[in-house]
This record gives sequence, structure tokens and C-alpha cells, in this order.
Amino acid sequence: ELKVEQNPLFLSMQEGKNYTIYCNYSTTSDRLYWYRQDPGKSLESLFVLLSNGAVKQEGRLMASLDTKARLSTLHITAAVHDLSATYFCAVDLWRRDDKIIFGKGTRLHILP
Amino acid sequence: SQTIHQWPATLVQPVGSPLSLECTVEGTSNPNLYWYRQAAGRGLQLLFYSVGIGQISSEVPQNLSASRPQDRQFILSSKKLLLSDSGFYLCAWSVLGPSTDTQYFGPGTRLTVL
Repeated sequence: ELKVEQNPLFLSMQEGKNYTIYCNYSTTSDRLYWYRQDPGKSLESLFVLLSNGAVKQEGRLMASLDTKARLSTLHITAAVHDLSATYFCAVDLWRRDDKIIFGKGTRLHILP
Repeated sequence: SQTIHQWPATLVQPVGSPLSLECTVEGTSNPNLYWYRQAAGRGLQLLFYSVGIGQISSEVPQNLSASRPQDRQFILSSKKLLLSDSGFYLCAWSVLGPSTDTQYFGPGTRLTVL
């Protein structure tokens, strides 16, 4: 059974600091997604990582994928308050199944 | 472009009452469709998914059911709601295959069972 683990589950940080959210998964997959959820809202797709070594950046967020280590990271650079949200990673089993499996989410709170 | 709709947006129902939540997708054909539930402050729980009309896979045995009467319509139902059914229900769609990029989520239905 595929397991997806994120850490930390909760992160409170000061504006201007850098930090990394980790996403580990337990079986082979070459597709990983990151989503953002604002309080009370639906999920918004941030990044799609489709191969080993993939790196994508959008503003202060950068995501990377290491399929050999079964690890993805979401790096936040010089955090700003607007980035406060819950971030989910999800792993795709598309070659074997029709589902994607979500981590429990990392609730990020950025203090002004 | 593709859009996904869910209704109602908010629902308050008494315990034991029936439920029907609807999800429709526009702008794509033969999508995979998903129902998720998110309890307050928690992660996503996959409830059902469907790869075609009339094809439903259940992930968690419970008092909920799903149906797909049309290609782009996905319905979540219950005959008798429980308190534990409260949560934020999200419908999502994707297109499976080499060119798929992600799941797209609807705006959600917030259900409170009293």
C-alpha cells in the first residue's frame, strides 16, 4: 500500500526566512503533485513533477523530485505572509491505478 | 477550458436525513472523477472514484454511495446521514494517461450534520 508522509505537519515561521517541506512516499512513482489549500477553500494545483530530477519554481516556491530517494521537497524562500496555507503533496499511481494518494498536509503559518 | 461545479456550496442537515451532492465537469470528455472528504483541520480522504459511466470504486466502506449517471456527472449520496459525515466534500477530475498533469478540484461542499 502506498503511503505518503509529509513533514512537518505544522510550521510557523517568520517572514523572510527560508524553509523546506518534505514529502516521502513508499513505492515507486514518477509523478508527484503539490497543492495549496487556503482556509475554507478548495485545492489549487501548484506543481506537477513528472520525472526524476524535475525542479519547478513559481515565485518564492520551488519543488523538486528525487524518484530514487522517493522524496519531494517544497522549498520556501524569503517567506511572506501570503504564503500561509496548507500544502499537500500527492503521488500518482497512474500506470497501475486511477488514484493519487495525498499526504496529510503541512499547515504553514507565516508570521508578519 | 475545463470547469468543475459542485452544489450546494453549503449544507446543514439533521442526523438521519438523506444526502445528495452533485458534481459536474465541463470542457472535457471521459474524465476520471473523484469524491474526497476533508474533516475539519484534517487531510483528504478518498471516498469514491470513477473511470467511466456506471463504474464506481469505493475506497472506504460507510453509509455513503456514489453514482455516475452521465459522463461528466458524479453524485454522492446517503440514505441516512451520521454526525461523522460532517466535513468538506471535494469533487475532482483528471484525464488519465501520459499527458495527464494533475487532478482539478471543485469548489467543495461544506456539510454540517447536526
